[in-house]
Amino acid sequence: KAGVTQTPRYLIKTRGQQVTLSCSPISGHRSVSWYQQTPGQGLQFLFEYFSETQRNKGNFPGRFSGRQFSNSRSEMNVSTLELGDSALYLCASSLDGGGPPRDTQYFGPGTRLTVL
Amino acid sequence: GQQVMQIPQYQHVQEGEDFTTYCNSSTTLSNIQWYKQRPGGHPVFLIQLVKSGEVKKQKRLTFQFGEAKKNSSLHITATQTTDVGTYFCAGTGGSYIPTFGRGTSLIVHP
Repeated sequence: KAGVTQTPRYLIKTRGQQVTLSCSPISGHRSVSWYQQTPGQGLQFLFEYFSETQRNKGNFPGRFSGRQFSNSRSEMNVSTLELGDSALYLCASSLDGGGPPRDTQYFGPGTRLTVL
Repeated sequence: GQQVMQIPQYQHVQEGEDFTTYCNSSTTLSNIQWYKQRPGGHPVFLIQLVKSGEVKKQKRLTFQFGEAKKNSSLHITATQTTDVGTYFCAGTGGSYIPTFGRGTSLIVHP
């Protein structure tokens, strides 16, 4: 079974621009979660989508948004980029994601975003 | 909100020595998961603990969940160079949103 895929793998943007990242979950997985990983803050939960609906949301500003399509693929969008948005953005898929207990989450390779 | 503290931040060991990382949550957890991230890689799921006092083993790795479900540990016996990486715990409480510890980076010297 193919793993979680994320595109693009690397991205360079300038302040004020917007960016869209894509995530394709493992076939059959219905839950997709997004995380931001930085050296300073570690791994932080952004949001989770299940059946095209946002089920959980972390503590990030409204500039961070996402959506999920009927085939479970997900996108996240960051508008008005700031320097501090430079990070590795990881998506993780699971069969359901509800809980407790949570289903196993399988992470993708991530998108490395650099904001100049 | 829920906080998960993980110590130590770094651990240098000689190959063959043991290694332990600890996680402590500010609130009672429903479950805790452990991940390993190799340098330049992404987190890979290792195990999930659900029951109070639970102990699980995977070859040289031993995972424990505290009786109060607020702390957990990962112990590696006789480390190998392949164990290098950052080990994260992620606790889930009532909100179902996982909170990750900052991770412990394990450096193994041959």
